[in-house]
Amino acid sequence: NAGVTQTPKFQVLKTGQSMTLQCAQDMNHEYMSWYRQDPGMGLRLIHYSVGAGITDQGEVPNGYNVSRSTTEDFPLRLLSAAPSQTSVYFCASSFGGTGNTIYFGEGSWLTVV
Amino acid sequence: AQTVTQSQPEMSVQEAETVTLSCTYDTSESDYYLFWYKQPPSRQMILVIRQEAYKQQNATENRFSVNFQKAAKSFSLKISDSQLGDAAMYFCAYRSPTWGETSGSRLTFGEGTQLTVNP
Repeated sequence: NAGVTQTPKFQVLKTGQSMTLQCAQDMNHEYMSWYRQDPGMGLRLIHYSVGAGITDQGEVPNGYNVSRSTTEDFPLRLLSAAPSQTSVYFCASSFGGTGNTIYFGEGSWLTVV
Repeated sequence: AQTVTQSQPEMSVQEAETVTLSCTYDTSESDYYLFWYKQPPSRQMILVIRQEAYKQQNATENRFSVNFQKAAKSFSLKISDSQLGDAAMYFCAYRSPTWGETSGSRLTFGEGTQLTVNP
C-alpha cells in the first residue's frame, strides 16, 4: 500500500533556484492538494485539484505553480525559491466528497538558503 | 472564511491519566466535518478521529473521544489512559461541506497543541 508518496524528502536550494516537489497517489483519488507547515503553525493550503486538468489556488499560492495532467500525479513547482519558502510541504489526497478522509504524504523538508 | 483556534499551545499529562485538548471554530455553515490529526516528531499526519456536524453523537475511537458542542462551535479531544506514544502535536481541522471547482473542500487547521506525556 503506497498511499501518497512525496519526493524528495529533503532538499536544500539556493535563493532563485527552481525545483519541483513530486506527489503521487495510487488510490484513484480525485482530490489532491499541497500544504505547507511553518514552525508554530498549522498546515496552510497552497494549491488544490478536484480532478485531472482542474487546479485552483489555496490560501498561500504565491511563488508556486501546479498542474494535474493525470489522476495520480500532482507536482508542485517553486519558480524562484526564496528563504520564506523554507518549510515542510505535505501532499494530500482523498476521494471526492467532503466526508471522505484526507490522506497525507510523509512531508518534504525544504530549506532555501 | 472558516477559522479554527486551538488556545492551548502546550499541554502535559501523566501517563495513564486523562487529558482534554480544546478547539473552537467559526463558520456560517450548518453541515461540515471536524477532525483531529496527530503529528509525531516524524511529522507524519495521522488521523485520530472525525466528527460529522449533522450527527448528535460524539465520535469515539478506542481511548480517544470528542466533545462536540455545535451551538458553542467547540470540538475538544479527550485522551484517556494516556500513553507515552500519545506524545505529539495535535491539530484540529475543519472541512467544509461544499465540494467543487471553487472549493475542493479544503482542510482549515488550527495552530496545534503540543502534548507531552510524563512517565
